Amino acid sequence: EDQVTQSPEALRLQEGESSSLNCSYTVSGLRGLFWYRQDPGKGPEFLFTLYSAGEEKEKERLKATLTKKESFLHITAPKPEDSATYLCAVHPMDSSYKLIFGSGTRLLVRP
Amino acid sequence: DTAVSQTPKYLVTQMGNDKSIKCEQNLGHDTMYWYKQDSKKFLKIMFSYNNKELIINETVPNRFSPKSPDKAHLNLHINSLELGDSAVYFCASSPSYEQYFGPGTRLTVT
Repeated sequence: EDQVTQSPEALRLQEGESSSLNCSYTVSGLRGLFWYRQDPGKGPEFLFTLYSAGEEKEKERLKATLTKKESFLHITAPKPEDSATYLCAVHPMDSSYKLIFGSGTRLLVRP
Repeated sequence: DTAVSQTPKYLVTQMGNDKSIKCEQNLGHDTMYWYKQDSKKFLKIMFSYNNKELIINETVPNRFSPKSPDKAHLNLHINSLELGDSAVYFCASSPSYEQYFGPGTRLTVT
């Protein structure tokens, strides 16, 4: 069965303290892996798509990487405004339109 | 603004009532979705339409009925509401693989 597991469930960082969020996945074949940011009371906001192992994408303080079994979202020198829940989703090869989401990592960055 | 919009933002109703949530996107996407996000923040797909045609229908009680009058709109009608239907419902649209979400509708059934 296709599955996405994110860790840790929650992460507290001091401003400037870099860290990584993990997304492990099990799918029969991967069409794409997606990272989203969700602020309280809002819908998920699309961040990145990764298609193949070894691929990397960057946006400001965020960098997403992909291997055959997992993806990492690296946060460099985070700021309080980076506080949010980060969601990972996979698009299985055998599904034209369906995304499978993990339960997210709640990130809190303290000033 | 180009976006996915949903109405209403909040919906409080009693058990047994029937309610609808509306979604509109002006992004020109062909595919639209309904998701349910439970209290543990899991986003689970319910339905998907591509050019007004139903393409994903997950294991959802048939009290839930989606309707797509055109490819820019996807509405969700819920009959005989139950306590367990309380959740946040998100609409999304997609040009290909990545999906763009609306702000959500928080449904509370009392």
